[in-house]
Amino acid sequence: GQNIDQPTEMTATEGAIVQINCTYQTSGFNGLFWYQQHAGEAPTFLSYNVLDGLEEKGRFSSFLSRSKGYSYLLLKELQMKDSASYLCAVLQGDYKLSFGAGTTVTVRA
Amino acid sequence: GAVVSQHPSWVICKSGTSVKIECRSLDFQATTMFWYRQFPKQSLMLMATSNEGSKATYEQGVEKDKFLINHASLTLSTLTVTSAHPEDSSFYICSAQVGEVTEAFFGQGTRLTVV
Repeated sequence: GQNIDQPTEMTATEGAIVQINCTYQTSGFNGLFWYQQHAGEAPTFLSYNVLDGLEEKGRFSSFLSRSKGYSYLLLKELQMKDSASYLCAVLQGDYKLSFGAGTTVTVRA
Repeated sequence: GAVVSQHPSWVICKSGTSVKIECRSLDFQATTMFWYRQFPKQSLMLMATSNEGSKATYEQGVEKDKFLINHASLTLSTLTVTSAHPEDSSFYICSAQVGEVTEAFFGQGTRLTVV
C-alpha cells in the first residue's frame, strides 16, 4: 500500500513564502510530482523530482529526499492567484500515480 | 499545453440508472488514459488504466462490471457508472498521457450526484 501525507490547509500573506511538506511511504518509488488544482478545474503539472535535491522553476521550487521519504513545494513571492489546492503524488512503477489528499493554500492580501 | 476535455462537468442521476462520462484529448493522441475518483477531503484514487483497443486494467477494489471503461480511439475514453447508487456520488477525473508520465494531462473532472 501507500501512505502520502500533506497538511490539509495553509494560509499566507501576499508576497510571502510558503512551504508545503509531503511525506510518503510507498513501494516502487519512481519519482514525485506536484500539481496545482484550482477549484473546479483540472490539476496542472508543477514539478517532477526523481533525484534528491532541489528543482527550481521560477517562483516554485520542489525538493526531494528519497532516503527520508520527504518532499516539499516552496512557493515564493505569493500572489493571490496562487490560492489553490496543491497535490503531492508519488509515481509507482511506470505509470501509477498515488496522490495525497492535497493542501489548500489561501493567500491573503 | 495539451487539453483534455471531460464531459459532463456535473451530472445528477437517479439511483439505479447509468451515467456515461467522456474524456477526450483534443490536440494530441493519448497512449494511455486514467480514471480517478475523489471523495470530499480525500485524495485522488486511481480506478483504472486504459489503453486504446484493449481491456482496461482495474485497481484492486474497483468493480469492473460496475465501472465500464471503453477506450475506442486514441482520443476518447468513456467511463460508464452502471446501476448508480448514492455511494457512487463523487468527483471523477480522467487524465490522458502521451509518452512519459510527465506528459499526463488532466480533465476538469465530473461531479456525479446520485439521488
